[in-house]
Amino acid sequence: AQKITQTQPGMFVQEKEAVTLDCTYDTSDQSYGLFWYKQPSSGEMIFLIYQGSYDEQNATEGRYSLNFQKARKSANLVISASQLGDSAMYFCAMRHGRGSTLGRLYFGRGTQLTVWP
Amino acid sequence: NAGVTQTPKFRVLKTGQSMTLLCAQDMNHEYMYWYRQDPGMGLRLIHYSVGEGTTAKGEVPDGYNVSRLKKQNFLLGLESAAPSQTSVYFCASSLAGGTGANVLTFGAGSRLTVL
Repeated sequence: AQKITQTQPGMFVQEKEAVTLDCTYDTSDQSYGLFWYKQPSSGEMIFLIYQGSYDEQNATEGRYSLNFQKARKSANLVISASQLGDSAMYFCAMRHGRGSTLGRLYFGRGTQLTVWP
Repeated sequence: NAGVTQTPKFRVLKTGQSMTLLCAQDMNHEYMYWYRQDPGMGLRLIHYSVGEGTTAKGEVPDGYNVSRLKKQNFLLGLESAAPSQTSVYFCASSLAGGTGANVLTFGAGSRLTVL
C-alpha cells in the first residue's frame, strides 16, 4: 500500500506566483517525519524542508513552507514567489517506525512543477 | 567536500551479468540507503543499513544484495541482471538521530541499463 500520495503529476505556475504541491500520507505511528525533496533536470536530490509529527508550528525555509494538517494526514508544500529555477520534480517523503525500521524512508511518485515567465 | 559518491555513474549490462554499485560517504553517517528511480514511480527503497555490519530489506529488495562491511561504504550487488533492473540508482546517507537524521544526503545517481 502506498504510504505517500502525490496526486498532481504536473503543475504549472507563473513566475512570482505562489504554488501548492499536495501530499497525503498514511501511517498509524504517532512519531514520524515528513519532508520534501527537489530534483531538477540535472538529477540530484536536494533537501528542502522537514516537519516532525510533534512539531506544532508549520516548518518554513525561506520561500518554502510546509502546510501540515495532522488530522487530514496532509503535508503540502507551498512555494511562494515562484522562480524559473523552481522548475523541477518535487518529492514528498515520510520517515516512520522505531528501532531498526526507523531508517525506512518512503517517497511519493513526485510532482513535476513548471514555472513559466 | 565529497559527501556521497557513487561509482560507476553509467553502466550497460547484458542479461545475466553481475555487477556491484559502490557508495561511499565521508560524513560519518550511520544510516545508508539504496533507492531505485523509475519513471512515474518515484524513489523506491531497495535495501538500507542502520550501521556497519547490518542491512535490511526495503520495498523492492528482490534481485539485489547489499553489504556494509565498513561504515563509510554500502555496496549494492546484482547477481544476475535482468532488463527490469534498468533504472537510476541512488545511494543516500543520514545520521541516526537528532535533527540530522531527517536529512538524507544523496549521491549523484548511477544509470544502469540491462539489455
